[in-house]
Amino acid sequence: DTAVSQTPKYLVTQMGNDKSIKCEQNLGHDTMYWYKQDSKKFLKIMFSYNNKELIINETVPNRFSPKSPDKAHLNLHINSLELGDSAVYFCASEAGGSTDTQYFGPGTRLTVL
Amino acid sequence: SQKIEQNSEALNIQEGKTATLTCNYTNYSPAYLQWYRQDPGRGPVFLLLIRENEKEKRKERLKVTFDTTLKQSLFHITASQPADSATYLCARGGDSGYALNFGKGTSLLVTP
Repeated sequence: DTAVSQTPKYLVTQMGNDKSIKCEQNLGHDTMYWYKQDSKKFLKIMFSYNNKELIINETVPNRFSPKSPDKAHLNLHINSLELGDSAVYFCASEAGGSTDTQYFGPGTRLTVL
Repeated sequence: SQKIEQNSEALNIQEGKTATLTCNYTNYSPAYLQWYRQDPGRGPVFLLLIRENEKEKRKERLKVTFDTTLKQSLFHITASQPADSATYLCARGGDSGYALNFGKGTSLLVTP
């Protein structure tokens, strides 16, 4: 069984559209994250949710909004997509504590035309 | 902010040799460093964690060191194999919460 899954795998859309990326983990973890990996392969934290509460919100445009319907899901909604949003987005989960390892999903490659 | 630097973008070595990857950090020492492996088109996969008070950690052919004086961690793969070819990411505990702060990674290519 896949520990952390994301859908869709690929997403191609036009500028100005609104899109969502879904993430689910079946590990029973308390904390989930969204990372953005740009064309230079730099992996940067965007959001973190712990027990349905946002605990990290880096300097991310408010066009991006995480939504967590329950502990196992953390979806990423993006409004008014821009060319610069093109990247690979990774979801990850962690059991808890500051030293636990993170388990990453397979990534969603977003291309904005 | 705390930076993680992996200065070598790419490293090519011959099969059977030891690969050594470098990770440097700025300012204060993190409580721990983690190393991940990322294959093309996939998410990072955890390999090893080393704490500030640990000098060295081993797992099979992998070895990680933590030098708080040099502010550096070294990641070694002994008896390297072509299957070890991947990008290796170093990460530290982030500035806020529990988020990891990743380096840009080093792309390792092991040739037969």
